[in-house]
Amino acid sequence: GESVGLHLPTLSVQEGDNSIINCAYSNSASDYFIWYKQESGKGPQFIIDIRSNMDKRQGQRVTVLLNKTVKHLSLQIAATQPGDSAVYFCAENIGGDDKIIFGKGTRLHILP
Amino acid sequence: KAGVTQTPRYLIKTRGQQVTLSCSPISGHRSVSWYQQTPGQGLQFLFEYFSETQRNKGNFPGRFSGRQFSNSRSEMNVSTLELGDSALYLCASSLKGRGEAFFGQGTRLTVV
Repeated sequence: GESVGLHLPTLSVQEGDNSIINCAYSNSASDYFIWYKQESGKGPQFIIDIRSNMDKRQGQRVTVLLNKTVKHLSLQIAATQPGDSAVYFCAENIGGDDKIIFGKGTRLHILP
Repeated sequence: KAGVTQTPRYLIKTRGQQVTLSCSPISGHRSVSWYQQTPGQGLQFLFEYFSETQRNKGNFPGRFSGRQFSNSRSEMNVSTLELGDSALYLCASSLKGRGEAFFGQGTRLTVV
């Protein structure tokens, strides 16, 4: 069925290191995936997306990898900064509408 | 351009009452989606409207309803409030109903 989950509820990373946040999905029909960042007191903010016909997409300091064989999605943040502290959600979109199914979220802590 | 605006930001209601929340999407966006966010359940999809028509609905009871006006502004209504309805209600808008969705800051509803 429709479900998107994250492997870890929290992740602590040293400032300057790379962060990798993982997500597993179960719906083989999902054809579009999005990563959102939510800071305290704010709504989710779009980070990067990827369509199912791609394996990798890069943005500014972020890379999303999609492995359709094992239904796995990951977000890599390079040179993690204090401003990256937030909860990160992976989400899937099925079909041509705007229904987005969110995973539970991973809280990223940046250690000084 | 202005982002997604949700009003009010905070609301306290009593069990049994009803509440109406408002969302003004980004100018030009025709798709508006609503989500409920709670610590236990995460972000859950409520419904999506496109050009005044409800296109998708999540698994919520009939007490939750919504509508969209010709100017794309949307409202959601919750009747006969229960304590479990306490949550952050988020609205998101997008241009065509697919792809990057922009979220508002949400309305924090507390039911007492």
